[in-house]
Amino acid sequence: SQTIHQWPATLVQPVGSPLSLECTVEGTSNPNLYWYRQAAGRGLQLLFYSVGIGQISSEVPQNLSASRPQDRQFILSSKKLLLSDSGFYLCAWSSIQGAGNDEQYFGPGTRLTVT
Amino acid sequence: QKEVEQDPGPLSVPEGAIVSLNCTYSNSAFQYFMWYRQYSRKGPELLMYTYSSGNKEDGRFTAQVDKSSKYISLFIRDSQPSDSATYLCAMSSYGNNRLAFGKGNQVVVIP
Repeated sequence: SQTIHQWPATLVQPVGSPLSLECTVEGTSNPNLYWYRQAAGRGLQLLFYSVGIGQISSEVPQNLSASRPQDRQFILSSKKLLLSDSGFYLCAWSSIQGAGNDEQYFGPGTRLTVT
Repeated sequence: QKEVEQDPGPLSVPEGAIVSLNCTYSNSAFQYFMWYRQYSRKGPELLMYTYSSGNKEDGRFTAQVDKSSKYISLFIRDSQPSDSATYLCAMSSYGNNRLAFGKGNQVVVIP
């Protein structure tokens, strides 16, 4: 069965510090990978998605970036955090199929507080 | 007009009651509809996935899709305190893996 991991689970960082959040998926190959941010009262916001190694699409201009160094690894980064970067960060995966759509499965999330 | 509208609630019901949740959407290209359950401080968990108009049942959960009205619903029968969570609807169009989410509806089942 497939499993998705995220770490760390919680993080408190000062403004201006760097960020690195990691997501890994087990039990599947060549998944689509996604980073979302969930802020209170604003729902889920898609930040980045990737259909393969080194292929990243950005949905929202911001000071965050994403990388996919390996097939089942997805990393969210920032060089300098802003207060507005606080939130609950969720990684998700879905299977790539030739037709139709696949449901997305979410990881446990990382709660980031920027102080 | 937002792509997906979902009343955030909260919705409080007594244990054993039927919970009724719904979302409306504006994009007629949406063909795939999902309901996620999210417990506090956890990631969303996929509950139901439907493709066509009509009903789909899974245990105490029933998902209903009415494409002509651009309206989807989730019903929870015999609600339990463990059903207390936020429920998010999500949908996508063919060939597009980007999901459009509702803001979520908080449900509280009172013992």
